[in-house]
Amino acid sequence: NAGVTQTPKFQVLKTGQSMTLQCAQDMNHNSMYWYRQDPGMGLRLIYYSASEGTTDKGEVPNGYNVSRLNKREFSLRLESAAPSQTSVYFCASSSDPGPYEQYFGPGTRLTVT
Amino acid sequence: QKEVEQDPGPLSVPEGAIVSLNCTYSNSAFQYFMWYRQYSRKGPELLMYTYSSGNKEDGRFTAQVDKSSKYISLFIRDSQPSDSATYLCAMEGGGSNYKLTFGKGTLLTVNP
Repeated sequence: NAGVTQTPKFQVLKTGQSMTLQCAQDMNHNSMYWYRQDPGMGLRLIYYSASEGTTDKGEVPNGYNVSRLNKREFSLRLESAAPSQTSVYFCASSSDPGPYEQYFGPGTRLTVT
Repeated sequence: QKEVEQDPGPLSVPEGAIVSLNCTYSNSAFQYFMWYRQYSRKGPELLMYTYSSGNKEDGRFTAQVDKSSKYISLFIRDSQPSDSATYLCAMEGGGSNYKLTFGKGTLLTVNP
């Protein structure tokens, strides 16, 4: 039981490049989330998916797109990376019904130069 | 006023001390209250969760919720150097569509 896995662990991009961050969970959870974490800003929700086939914007969705490929997988795409997207990205999943506690992956450290 | 306020610290204590970590919140609809621990360069991991008001104990950790005061606490007894981490509170409820509202985290260092 691996929980939530993320790939890659580290990535360096040049401004304007694109990439997809992958996330998978093996806990049969319905809901999945993408966060970014920056110093002094805490965890900020980018997008979430309450169930397979649905996605919704979070607090900071601009510059990102997501795909809920199936129940297990939820990917985050940066179409044209900007230095402001340098951050640590975490994927999480949660069960429902409540209490909706979220389980996090190990994170992807992204640097955009 | 932010929905969840958490003192970022840093908090430094000697080994064996009792640690008190706290969050206040403004949304009275919150029903579930959670504490996460995040080691440096790792993902947050769930420590404990409680529903509504009351206490919950798990080993050296005790979570308290006071909904009348909109105040939650995490107590760590006999703190160990391995407890050194950032602790984040999180809350859910009131039709948030399964979204959690996180505090920004308190950095704790336990010195041997």
